Amino acid sequence: GDSVTQMEGPVTLSEEACLTINCTYTATGYPSLFWYVQYPGEGLQLLLKATKADDKGSNKGFEATYRKETTSFHLEKGSVQVSDSAVYFCALRGRNDMRFGAGTRLTVKP
Amino acid sequence: DTGVSQDPRHKITKRGQNVTFRCDPISEHNRLYWYRQTLGQGPEFLTYFQNEAQLEKSRLLSDRFSAERPKGSFSTLEIQRTEQGDSAMYLCASTVAGTSASYEQYFGPGTRLTVT
Repeated sequence: GDSVTQMEGPVTLSEEACLTINCTYTATGYPSLFWYVQYPGEGLQLLLKATKADDKGSNKGFEATYRKETTSFHLEKGSVQVSDSAVYFCALRGRNDMRFGAGTRLTVKP
Repeated sequence: DTGVSQDPRHKITKRGQNVTFRCDPISEHNRLYWYRQTLGQGPEFLTYFQNEAQLEKSRLLSDRFSAERPKGSFSTLEIQRTEQGDSAMYLCASTVAGTSASYEQYFGPGTRLTVT
């Protein structure tokens, strides 16, 4: 069935460092792809999305490009901040549900 | 709009007891989902409703679990005869089906269940 494989964490970076969190998917067809973020004590929030191949989703300085040829949707940010510390989930939209990766915990140190 | 709300936020219960959680979706959303999230994992789909109809259930949803959405607004998830393996975060999400907005699910803060 459809699934998402996400880079294992945790990831610890210094403020202003570059971030890449890898995500690959397995699916029939071309599902919509998402990145969700979960801050401590809060629910999941949609960070960005892409609904078709070559689409680039972006929000709050984060970007991810839907790569059909490599079945990937890697999350990137050029300069992370302490406030970006959270758990990041890659997900795809299945027929009737969302399929999530295991999550990557990011800690950004000042 | 206050977003998706869930109650209670935390529940501690003894093994064998029954528990019920409530989810209030965003008011105009006709589709409601339940997920379970265990420590270190992403959410796993349990079931979803379109209005008051329960349209799909995951094999994760054993006979001890039952969900309802009687008036197509709020939903309840009941777990009977709880087991320690039921300890998890239970997440509710909602969306508007049949539009481009249905690509996005909006999540509540979750109910953390601990079975002792």
